[in-house]
Amino acid sequence: QVQLQESGPGLVKPSETLSLTCTVSGGSISPYYWSWIRQPAGKGLEWIGRIYLSGSTDYNPSFKSRVTMSLDTSKNQFSLKMTSVTAADTAVYYCAREEVTYYGSGFDHWGQGTLVTVSS
Amino acid sequence: SSELTQDPAVSVALGQTVRITCQGDSLRSYYASWYQQKPRQAPVLVFYGENNRPSGIPDRFSGSSSGDTASLTITGAQAEDEADYYCHSRDNSGYHYVFGTGTKVTVL
Repeated sequence: QVQLQESGPGLVKPSETLSLTCTVSGGSISPYYWSWIRQPAGKGLEWIGRIYLSGSTDYNPSFKSRVTMSLDTSKNQFSLKMTSVTAADTAVYYCAREEVTYYGSGFDHWGQGTLVTVSS
Repeated sequence: SSELTQDPAVSVALGQTVRITCQGDSLRSYYASWYQQKPRQAPVLVFYGENNRPSGIPDRFSGSSSGDTASLTITGAQAEDEADYYCHSRDNSGYHYVFGTGTKVTVL
């Protein structure tokens, strides 16, 4: 059974960098796409970006200048860095696996989510 | 603002059928996927692509698409289906992903 677990600081100061890691257990990093998704309290889901085994990335244009994703296959982990955070970046952050097939794709496994609060 | 628009809320009587819609130009070219989210839980994939239901998802959940609108239908809604539902697909550029605005489903 594939499981995803987010980890990282729950509190980040304004203007600093948010760093999160997602550890994948029970399965391999390949050959899937891996995404970060966030959800501010009481609001909807927002896709941040994704990374593939090759290291290729695709970011939401709303974040593109602030976000970097990376992959560590030796540890079965992938990571998110978001710079220059503000209070608007306070949210539950999820990591998720995307299964891509000829007939469509979907995020079939999710982490439990981790709350990141941006505050001084 | 999202490029995929959903009705904010719908209600359905227990055992009846409800259709949740997701509208956006990109849906003319790309499939949608659908997620159920209950309070304080991570979303769960309930339908994706042309006709794919993940294992463990009841067959009362089905999806369809026509033109710029994708739909998720719950046939014979149960109390446990009360949740927020989100669609997901490509944005209008086709290069990036976007989630719908979400629909809160209440089972009466």
